[in-house]
Amino acid sequence: AQKITQTQPGMFVQEKEAVTLDCTYDTSDPSYGLFWYKQPSSGEMIFLIYQGSYDQQNATEGRYSLNFQKARKSANLVISASQLGDSAMYFCAMRDGPIQGAQKLVFGQGTRLTINP
Amino acid sequence: DSGVTQTPKHLITATGQRVTLRCSPRSGDLSVYWYQQSLDQGLQFLIQYYNGEERAKGNILERFSAQQFPDLHSELNLSSLELGDSALYFCASSPLVREGETQYFGPGTRLLVL
Repeated sequence: AQKITQTQPGMFVQEKEAVTLDCTYDTSDPSYGLFWYKQPSSGEMIFLIYQGSYDQQNATEGRYSLNFQKARKSANLVISASQLGDSAMYFCAMRDGPIQGAQKLVFGQGTRLTINP
Repeated sequence: DSGVTQTPKHLITATGQRVTLRCSPRSGDLSVYWYQQSLDQGLQFLIQYYNGEERAKGNILERFSAQQFPDLHSELNLSSLELGDSALYFCASSPLVREGETQYFGPGTRLLVL
């Protein structure tokens, strides 16, 4: 079964610095997808970025980029030029299931990121 | 705003009671997923519906059930509630099931069982 590990329960970063949130995964499927979600204190889950296992390039979305290292089974989220509004819980998730079938997400335990002014 | 709506936003009830959580997916999305987020279990998948049919089941208790209606909205029914059922319940939706299809989450229903 798929498993996601986020080893950093909490991180504290100065505003405007770049930050890397770690995520490692375990799967025996050759095809998989990796997602990052942000959960602010208000509780909603906000989709940030997606990386497919066959994607040749690392995904980027504005200030977010995904450092995808397939051989190491890691999919770290990089946030450039951090802002106070980036303070939130961040979850790494993996699609569990065949492409044309059921596609539940398996989540890591999350990393709480705090941006200091 | 993800386009997924959930009602109610908050729910306070007593042990042994039954509640219904409602979800409306994004326009055009055929798949609906239910997740439970609790302090001890984290975020866990409960169940998925695709165009009215159950597609996958996770760690959903027998006391819980769900359905997706012809207009694609979904309801999650929780019965014989226990203190441990207190959690944030999310609904998510996605279009046709295919590679890289992102699940967009609703704002959640926060359930407190007293």
